Amino acid sequence: NAGVTQTPKFQVLKTGQSMTLQCAQDMNHNSMYWYRQDPGMGLRLIYYSASEGTTDKGEVPNGYNVSRLNKREFSLRLESAAPSQTSVYFCASSATGGRPQHFGDGTRLSIL
Amino acid sequence: GESVGLHLPTLSVQEGDNSIINCAYSNSASDYFIWYKQESGKGPQFIIDIRSNMDKRQGQRVTVLLNKTVKHLSLQIAATQPGDSAVYFCAERGDFNKFYFGSGTKLNVKP
Repeated sequence: NAGVTQTPKFQVLKTGQSMTLQCAQDMNHNSMYWYRQDPGMGLRLIYYSASEGTTDKGEVPNGYNVSRLNKREFSLRLESAAPSQTSVYFCASSATGGRPQHFGDGTRLSIL
Repeated sequence: GESVGLHLPTLSVQEGDNSIINCAYSNSASDYFIWYKQESGKGPQFIIDIRSNMDKRQGQRVTVLLNKTVKHLSLQIAATQPGDSAVYFCAERGDFNKFYFGSGTKLNVKP
């Protein structure tokens, strides 16, 4: 079982470049999430999608956009990368109704 | 306990001892809580959960306690093993199935 798959695992960008982080889950979950994790910190919610066709902002949405392409896939886009967006990005999915989230192994993104 | 910033609180225990990791949550209306374990270079991994209508829940070697009066969660790990070394996060569920994470506690198990 693959669970939640994120690509790429590592990426280095220059300030101002754009990039899309990909996430796919094979557990037929309705809800999907994007988080960022900065050194020594917990995870902060960027965007989430409660179900296919819906997206909503989390705690730190500025500078990001998302697309819920279908039930399996949820992508995160940085239109114009900034050094403050250097972080580890995690995608997660969950069934609805208060179930644990399942996480991918993260994308480590550095912006120079 | 929780802290904000670059330095995670660290709990060091001897192999075989019991560990207790604490977490304060913010929203008295949160109805569901989860403990996660995160190993280096990996995503968080589910350990145990508890709903707000319960005070205690037990799993294999782990117990979660919920005190709603003071908005406090704890994770107890029995007979801690070197493989338990990791960062542990609590998360609370808010509106619309959104989850909010604490900043984590690093558990260091000494052999």
